[in-house]
Amino acid sequence: NAGVMQNPRHLVRRRGQEARLRCSPMKGHSHVYWYRQLPEEGLKFMVYLQKENIIDESGMPKERFSAEFPKEGPSILRIQQVVRGDSAAYFCASSPRTDGTEAFFGQGTRLTVV
Amino acid sequence: AQSVTQPDIHITVSEGASLELRCNYSYGATPYLFWYVQSPGQGLQLLLKYFSGDTLVQGIKGFEAEFKRSQSSFNLRKPSVHWSDAAEYFCAVSRGGGADGLTFGKGTHLIIQP
Repeated sequence: NAGVMQNPRHLVRRRGQEARLRCSPMKGHSHVYWYRQLPEEGLKFMVYLQKENIIDESGMPKERFSAEFPKEGPSILRIQQVVRGDSAAYFCASSPRTDGTEAFFGQGTRLTVV
Repeated sequence: AQSVTQPDIHITVSEGASLELRCNYSYGATPYLFWYVQSPGQGLQLLLKYFSGDTLVQGIKGFEAEFKRSQSSFNLRKPSVHWSDAAEYFCAVSRGGGADGLTFGKGTHLIIQP
């Protein structure tokens, strides 16, 4: 049973481009969480999704950011018109439980905006 | 809103010495409590967690943590550190309801001296 898979591991985008980050949860996990880690900071919750539904996006910036978890395929975190301040590590976690207490993390995608 | 404080940004310990990393939380009820470890460029690995019951929790890699309700603390300990323990350690809390995920502290960077 593979762990949570995130790709790409590293992503470089120019200002104004779009960034797409993918997360494949562990087999049997239907709950996905996205977190952002800025340098020298802990992880900040962004969004919680179940299959085809956004459950809580209270941590997501209102503009340029969106997330989805389709019935088939990985969860996608999309950042439009990236800016330098979007440079960070983005982590995905998946859980088999509704309460999210058994969360397994991927290795993250490190986004650099140049 | 819940919050987590890790008062020590950096800690340096000699190999073989004991270790205690501090974590204080702010939450109206008893939260779910977690310690994660992050090696450079990697994702987060769960060391241990506390939901209820015995307040002394054993984890992987020889770590343990003690929940003290009166002090709102969940400190991580290890009797004898190894050079491979050098990493970033994060304390996290959850309401356990799934929504809004985990709230993380800013982390403690552990340095092991030979």
